[in-house]
Amino acid sequence: DTGVSQDPRHKITKRGQNVTFRCDPISEHNRLYWYRQTLGQGPEFLTYFQNEAQLEKSRLLSDRFSAERPKGSFSTLEIQRTEQGDSAMYLCASSQEGGSEAFFGQGTRLTVV
Amino acid sequence: AQSVTQLGSHVSVSEGALVLLRCNYSSSVPPYLFWYVQYPNQGLQLLLKYTTGATLVKGINGFEAEFKKSETSFHLTKPSAHMSDAAEYFCAVKAGRRALTFGSGTRLQVQP
Repeated sequence: DTGVSQDPRHKITKRGQNVTFRCDPISEHNRLYWYRQTLGQGPEFLTYFQNEAQLEKSRLLSDRFSAERPKGSFSTLEIQRTEQGDSAMYLCASSQEGGSEAFFGQGTRLTVV
Repeated sequence: AQSVTQLGSHVSVSEGALVLLRCNYSSSVPPYLFWYVQYPNQGLQLLLKYTTGATLVKGINGFEAEFKKSETSFHLTKPSAHMSDAAEYFCAVKAGRRALTFGSGTRLQVQP
């Protein structure tokens, strides 16, 4: 499978715990995006990377959120001290530089209890 | 700045009827426009896109959309709805090097 892969697909965590999600983009894509989607809403942009450089961060990305893409390949999104409001689907997408469309993974559904 | 407005959070049609999902955008530079479809607990799948050139674009599953600059619209249509078309549809805009900005989505129901 050469699509965007996200792990885990589902995560249930207790409030206050830290969680980390992983995204493996399509191999030749050098842009990687993170989005958050809550029930009944469209995806909201969080951040994006070009290779290992984090080029843009949304104001939605509080200081409890951090994303990395250390070698310009896979990326991780960590949420520290999770809150119930963090419950959402976290979507990863990738694209080629200069390309138009982004290709999305299946998402990681986070539930904070 | 870029934004998308999808008119109608829910649309219900009968099987075989015309599907029309509305999207209006705002962009300070010439935009790229997209429609994505999402099935329950799944990621987003690209239906079609407009970048440059022909303003009527055809996508997968019989869907098409027309870019109308004067109306800042990119409405999605399908002549004849099928039960399998029931899903959430998202319009998105991309301007320059910005990431995609999505609308709030339209849930399409198809009645037998």
